[in-house]
Amino acid sequence: EDQVTQSPEALRLQEGESSSLNCSYTVSGLRGLFWYRQDPGKGPEFLFTLYSAGEEKEKERLKATLTKKESFLHITAPKPEDSATYLCAVPLAPGGYQKVTFGTGTKLQVIP
Amino acid sequence: KAGVTQTPRYLIKTRGQQVTLSCSPISGHRSVSWYQQTPGQGLQFLFEYFSETQRNKGNFPGRFSGRQFSNSRSEMNVSTLELGDSALYLCASSGPGDEQYFGPGTRLTVT
Repeated sequence: EDQVTQSPEALRLQEGESSSLNCSYTVSGLRGLFWYRQDPGKGPEFLFTLYSAGEEKEKERLKATLTKKESFLHITAPKPEDSATYLCAVPLAPGGYQKVTFGTGTKLQVIP
Repeated sequence: KAGVTQTPRYLIKTRGQQVTLSCSPISGHRSVSWYQQTPGQGLQFLFEYFSETQRNKGNFPGRFSGRQFSNSRSEMNVSTLELGDSALYLCASSGPGDEQYFGPGTRLTVT
């Protein structure tokens, strides 16, 4: 069965303290992996798409990487405004890229 | 460009009733997907519509249905509501790229 697991469930960082979030998956024939950020009471906000092992994408303090079994979201020198739940998702086959399964997320809190 | 909009934002219904939620995608996006989000199960895929046709379906009972109109706007209907249907219902649209853009959601409470 296709599964996506995120760890840790929650993470508390001091402002400026870098860390990484993990997303591991067991899907046959990975076709891509998405990262989203969700603030309380809002819909997820798209961050990155990664398509193949070895690929990396960066945006401000965030950097996403992909291997054959997992993806990491590295947060460098986080700020309080980075506090949110970070979700990863993979597309399920058969189906296009719109039928995705989400992990349960990592709730990040950055303390000033 | 305007984002994905969903109406209503909040809804309170009684068990046994039915409800219809609405979603307007980003202009030019032809794919609309619906998700249910609960604290226990997280985000779960309901179905996806593309050009007025259901293209993908998740593992939800037949009480959950949807449709898409020629202008790509979509509606989702839940009949015979149960307490367990209380959730945040999210709509997402996608266009030329593979990523999805989510609306703010409709918070449904069933009493």
